[in-house]
Amino acid sequence: NAGVMQNPRHLVRRRGQEARLRCSPMKGHSHVYWYRQLPEEGLKFMVYLQKENIIDESGMPKERFSAEFPKEGPSILRIQQVVRGDSAAYFCASSGEDRSSDIQYFGAGTRLSVL
Amino acid sequence: DQQVKQNSPSLSVQEGRISILNCDYTNSMFDYFLWYKKYPAEGPTFLISISSIKDKNEDGRFTVFLNKSAKHLSLHIVPSQPGDSAVYFCAASDRGGSNYKLTFGKGTLLTVNP
Repeated sequence: NAGVMQNPRHLVRRRGQEARLRCSPMKGHSHVYWYRQLPEEGLKFMVYLQKENIIDESGMPKERFSAEFPKEGPSILRIQQVVRGDSAAYFCASSGEDRSSDIQYFGAGTRLSVL
Repeated sequence: DQQVKQNSPSLSVQEGRISILNCDYTNSMFDYFLWYKKYPAEGPTFLISISSIKDKNEDGRFTVFLNKSAKHLSLHIVPSQPGDSAVYFCAASDRGGSNYKLTFGKGTLLTVNP
């Protein structure tokens, strides 16, 4: 039973380019969360999605960042016109339908480096 | 405003002894708490959780204690093993408010010496 799959593991972009980060949740999970970790910091919540819906995007920067979780396929975190400050590790997590045991399981992350 | 605080950036213990990692929170709406372990270049791995209706939860070598009045929780690892060396994150959520996002502390680096 595969866990949360993220790709790519490493992504290098030049300033101004676009970055696309993909996340496939665990089998049977329909809740997806994106977090960002800056060096020496804890993980910071960005966005929470269910299939075709954004539930909570309170942690998303207002510009350049967007996320989707289509009916078919992985969740995508998209960063347009990247800047050096976007360099970080981006983690995706998923959880199942049983909210009484709401454990989020994390992928290995995508490390974005902006040159 | 840091709502979840792990005030010890690092902790070093001898193999076989107890490791105690601490976490404080300020948001009284938090009602569910989790501990994750993270190795370098990997994602966080879930360890143990506790609901605010309990004050203790145990799973093998890991026990989490919750003191709601002090807004404090701790993770005890007994006995500690070298493979436990990792960064430990405390996280919290407000499930009662249907607010499932996790708020993390900055982590504590645990080193278990053989």
